Amino acid sequence: DTGVSQNPRHKITKRGQNVTFRCDPISEHNRLYWYRQTLGQGPEFLTYFQNEAQLEKSRLLSDRFSAERPKGSFSTLEIQRTEQGDSAMYLCATIVGGSTYEQYFGPGTRLTVT
Amino acid sequence: QKEVEQNSGPLSVPEGAIASLNCTYSDRGSQSFFWYRQYSGKSPELIMSIYSNGDKEDGRFTAQLNKASQYVSLLIRDSQPSDSATYLCAASNSGGYQKVTFGTGTKLQVIP
Repeated sequence: DTGVSQNPRHKITKRGQNVTFRCDPISEHNRLYWYRQTLGQGPEFLTYFQNEAQLEKSRLLSDRFSAERPKGSFSTLEIQRTEQGDSAMYLCATIVGGSTYEQYFGPGTRLTVT
Repeated sequence: QKEVEQNSGPLSVPEGAIASLNCTYSDRGSQSFFWYRQYSGKSPELIMSIYSNGDKEDGRFTAQLNKASQYVSLLIRDSQPSDSATYLCAASNSGGYQKVTFGTGTKLQVIP
């Protein structure tokens, strides 16, 4: 158990709808990352938070995507006006403390856009 | 050229054999390297990290790093059917937010 939970685990939505995913790390996980993984590919970096500050965003994160981490606790990733190409596994990962570079993933949210 | 390259496989080995998984990376600034195991439909699970040249052993797993050749490998001894999964190689830079770049993974099949 990595101590990272994600909800929902599965989401099916129609094209054009908005969706929001949530990641809940345990309290001492101050660094949090979002990745997207499509079939047959490795996870691709989307964005990074240190506490509540969003410090880096990938160019993959188009204007339709937004992420927040209020108060440095849980994080949300919202996709507006979903497209079929958004279908993927959305993964949250955290690093515990400051002395390691090891990222541990939550179970992920599988998004299917029909 | 992908930043982290792996052979997609599948790599088939008989039960009890040694499985050898390889990975190359292009960014010489990479300092930290990781192997993740991913079962179908599940999220990646960290199994090994390596930061210095040489070998690092943990149970049946040995990670090997050669920074001069920009090469990382994972050996799995006494392979079991439960080791059948996709193995992702990943590399991270040393500074900032430790962006991790993943390869596309190698599918391993352990034949009973």
